[in-house]
Amino acid sequence: DTAVSQTPKYLVTQMGNDKSIKCEQNLGHDTMYWYKQDSKKFLKIMFSYNNKELIINETVPNRFSPKSPDKAHLNLHINSLELGDSAVYFCASSQAGGAETQYFGPGTRLLVL
Amino acid sequence: AQKITQTQPGMFVQEKEAVTLDCTYDTSDQSYGLFWYKQPSSGEMIFLIYQGSYDEQNATEGRYSLNFQKARKSANLVISASQLGDSAMYFCAMSHTGTYKYIFGTGTRLKVLA
Repeated sequence: DTAVSQTPKYLVTQMGNDKSIKCEQNLGHDTMYWYKQDSKKFLKIMFSYNNKELIINETVPNRFSPKSPDKAHLNLHINSLELGDSAVYFCASSQAGGAETQYFGPGTRLLVL
Repeated sequence: AQKITQTQPGMFVQEKEAVTLDCTYDTSDQSYGLFWYKQPSSGEMIFLIYQGSYDEQNATEGRYSLNFQKARKSANLVISASQLGDSAMYFCAMSHTGTYKYIFGTGTRLKVLA
């Protein structure tokens, strides 16, 4: 059983389009996250959610809107995609926040043309 | 400011030898966790090992051990008996108790030579 899953695995789209990435965890964790990994492999947190509530928004443009319908799901919707949005997006979860081990999904490779 | 520094962008090690990947961190908090993750070329992020700031013993997980030196603020990863499958990018990360933010280092790319 996959602990943290993301769909789709690959996403190729045109500039200006809107796209969504879905994430689900079956670990029973309370906290979920979205990360962006750029072409230099730098991993930066975008959002943290605890029990469906937004806790951290790391100065991410408004075009990115996360949604957590329940504790097990955290989706990411991106409006008006730009070339600079091309990256790998990782979803992760942990039992709680802070000093708890995070488990990552397989990543979604987004390419904006 | 809270920060993770990995000063080795790339490392080589001969198969079956041990290798140490460096990680230093900067924090003024007392309660935090330190993590190491492996990212192979396939792209997934694999959790390797965790060290709590109050743990007195160094963490070990199979061939992985974490050399935790609190006064020096270092949390180096030691991989013993390197295998070809250990070739990957390795990330050090830190998070503080009561927060929901994890900070990652820039990573070290390890290549194991046959």
